[in-house]
Amino acid sequence: TQLLEQSPQFLSIQEGENLTVYCNSSSVFSSLQWYRQEPGEGPVLLVTVVTGGEVKKLKRLTFQFGDARKDSSLHITAAQPGDTGLYLCAGGVIGTYKYIFGTGTRLKVLA
Amino acid sequence: KAGVTQTPRYLIKTRGQQVTLSCSPISGHRSVSWYQQTPGQGLQFLFEYFSETQRNKGNFPGRFSGRQFSNSRSEMNVSTLELGDSALYLCASSLGVTDYNEQFFGPGTRLTVL
Repeated sequence: TQLLEQSPQFLSIQEGENLTVYCNSSSVFSSLQWYRQEPGEGPVLLVTVVTGGEVKKLKRLTFQFGDARKDSSLHITAAQPGDTGLYLCAGGVIGTYKYIFGTGTRLKVLA
Repeated sequence: KAGVTQTPRYLIKTRGQQVTLSCSPISGHRSVSWYQQTPGQGLQFLFEYFSETQRNKGNFPGRFSGRQFSNSRSEMNVSTLELGDSALYLCASSLGVTDYNEQFFGPGTRLTVL
């Protein structure tokens, strides 16, 4: 069974701080997607990384796909209250059209 | 363009009943995936349909079934409901032509089983 472990599970930080969320597995994935979900809504796609070692930046968010395509990280610089939410990573299972979701990281940014 | 829509948004049923949930994907998307989200288990994959065929299946009992119509709209059915089926059911649509196509989620259907 393929698993994606996210750490930390919970994070509460002050506005302006930096943070990193990790997504790890022993399996290789075809791609890695990151989502943010707010209460009562579906997850919203933030980014897709496909190539091992790939780094993508989206304003204050930096996403990295591990060289071996087994892990990924999400770094947020100068967090804002609007970044509050549940962050989910999802790995594409090679040769299928199926995604395995990580356990989630619940982030709260205090003003 | 319009996003993924799911109906109904909220549903309350009792044990033993059955329920049908509906998902309309983004125009042009042929793949629809269904997920169950609970606080304890997180987001778990149910199944994926592409061009009216079930292409992938997760590890859920046979009480969970689905189908996809020629216009790519999909329905999910749960029979003989159990208390543990209470969850947020999410559908996601994608082009479905590569294994890294981006998924776009609907707002979900919140099912409560009493």
